[in-house]
Formats: sequence, structure tokens, C-alpha cells
Amino acid sequence: AQRVTQPEKLLSVFKGAPVELKCNYSYSGSPELFWYVQYSRQRLQLLLRHISRESIKGFTADLNKGETSFHLKKPFAQEEDSAMYYCALDSSNTGKLIFGQGTTLQVKP
Amino acid sequence: NAGVMQNPRHLVRRRGQEARLRCSPMKGHSHVYWYRQLPEEGLKFMVYLQKENIIDESGMPKERFSAEFPKEGPSILRIQQVVRGDSAAYFCASSPPGLAGGGVEQFFGPGTRLTVL
Repeated sequence: AQRVTQPEKLLSVFKGAPVELKCNYSYSGSPELFWYVQYSRQRLQLLLRHISRESIKGFTADLNKGETSFHLKKPFAQEEDSAMYYCALDSSNTGKLIFGQGTTLQVKP
Repeated sequence: NAGVMQNPRHLVRRRGQEARLRCSPMKGHSHVYWYRQLPEEGLKFMVYLQKENIIDESGMPKERFSAEFPKEGPSILRIQQVVRGDSAAYFCASSPPGLAGGGVEQFFGPGTRLTVL
């Protein structure tokens, strides 16, 4: 079955510390993977997608097919990065997204 | 562009009543998705629609739930005879015409929070 797992419900770091939000997926084909973010009192929005190989707001994510992972990383966390982060998988080519449970990132001053 | 609109933002129903949730996609978008988020869980796909067509309803409960996206007007998610377990946040998302998958971004609405008493 297709599944996305985010093992950490809450990740708390100090400003300036490196951040890694973990995401593992279960899918036998070629996955399309995304990170979506929800800042306080805002709607869910796309942060980045693996197909673009881009860096947004200093965040990067590399698809590791061997480990079936798509961890989100940032070398130096900022307070404004505090938000809920969701990893998502599109396995069907219809845009049907399978979401992980989400990780709350808390960046302390 | 106002973005994806959902109304109402909050809806309270008693057990056995009907709930109607509306979603207006972004201007020019022709794909609509509905997701449900139960407390302490991630978003779960329910249904994918294009104008006048249900493309994928694999995530919809077999009974009481239905969705439509008419030629004119918003997409509607309808829940008949609501039960306490239907209490959740319901999110709508839209994407532009063309291929729906392949890494296309979905734009989300603010959600409707349904509470069943």
C-alpha cells in the first residue's frame, strides 16, 4: 500500500541550528514527492517538489530511492520557519496526494 | 486572484442532519480535490473531480458522502445523516487544466471545520 510516514510529531530547535524533517514513503513506482507547509493562520501551501530540484526559503529535499526517503533540510533555522510541515506523495498521475501525518517545527529564539 | 474559496468556514450540525460544504476553485482551474483531516491526523484524499465528472472517488466513504462539480457554480461535498465521526476539517484544493499529476501544484482553500453534536 502507498504510505507516507513522518515519524516526528514535533521538532523543536533553536534559531540558527540545522533542521531535518524526516519523510519516508512506501511506493514501488517512480514517485512524485512534495513538501507542503502551513504557517499559523494561513492555508496549506506548496514549499517544494522533488521534480523541480529547487531550494525554497533555504530548504532542500533530496529523493533517496534506496532509502525511500525525502527528508527536508535547512542548514540554519529561522524563527519564521515555525510551522506545520507535510510530506506528500502523488502516485497516481491524477494529482491524488497521500499525506504524512505532519511535523510541527518549532524554532526557538 | 482570490485563491480557493471554501464556505462555510465553520459548520455545526446535529447527528442525522445534512452538511453541505462548498468550494470555489481558483479562476481558470478545472481540477478540484477534496481532503479530510481528522483530529491529530494528516490529510486524507477523498475525491477528485473535473467539471461535471468524478474522476477518482476512491477515498470517499461508501455511504452518505457525495461530491459534485457542476458546469456552473462551486464544487459541493455533501454529507447526509452526519455522525459524530464526521467531525473533521475538510479541505478543497484546485489545480490548473492539463495533466493533473506529474508534480503539478495544488492550491488549497482555508478549509471547513465541521462539528457534529
